[in-house]
Amino acid sequence: DTEVTQTPKHLVMGMTNKKSLKCEQHMGHRAMYWYKQKAKKPPELMFVYSYEKLSINESVPSRFSPECPNSSLLNLHLHALQPEDSALYLCASSQEPGRLNSPLHFGNGTRLTVT
Amino acid sequence: KNQVEQSPQSLIILEGKNCTLQCNYTVSPFSNLRWYKQDTGRGPVSLTIMTFSENTKSNGRYTATLDADTKQSSLHITASQLSDSASYICVVSALGSYIPTFGRGTSLIVHP
Repeated sequence: DTEVTQTPKHLVMGMTNKKSLKCEQHMGHRAMYWYKQKAKKPPELMFVYSYEKLSINESVPSRFSPECPNSSLLNLHLHALQPEDSALYLCASSQEPGRLNSPLHFGNGTRLTVT
Repeated sequence: KNQVEQSPQSLIILEGKNCTLQCNYTVSPFSNLRWYKQDTGRGPVSLTIMTFSENTKSNGRYTATLDADTKQSSLHITASQLSDSASYICVVSALGSYIPTFGRGTSLIVHP
């Protein structure tokens, strides 16, 4: 079982809905990440939080809004999404960003479908 | 531009056989290289992580090699099992970078 827990596992939402994805880790990691993965493609980085502060935003549209309430939790708030936003959204954590020998620990993702 | 190229794109083998997956990268300055296994519908799981001073690292039936001079890595799977069917992703990080570069993965199918 993964040590990074994501909820929900599946989400179907309309283009006018507001929903949130949640991610939790209790490994004491100080870096947390959101990735988006389309079918048969590698994960694409969206956001990086380092010590609960947003350090990287890879030019993600404002309809995606990340939040890091504390060192163990990471949320992704969704509003007014488009059908092309349908994808697997992966949360990951690591001891510290960029640290040698610190692998990313991924959750199992939320499969998002926008109708 | 940092790039990671993996080959083959897909591979089908019979259960019990060995196989080798390749990863070439142009990431610089090099920090570390990781191989991940991703089962369908699940998140990637780290298999090995190697720095520039490491040539070989094993994790059970998985053995990764790294040649930092030619910027190549391989993942060798011994005595394949049906559960090895997955996508194998090579990920390379540059020194001081928060953003690792992902390869497109090799899709491995193991048939009985």
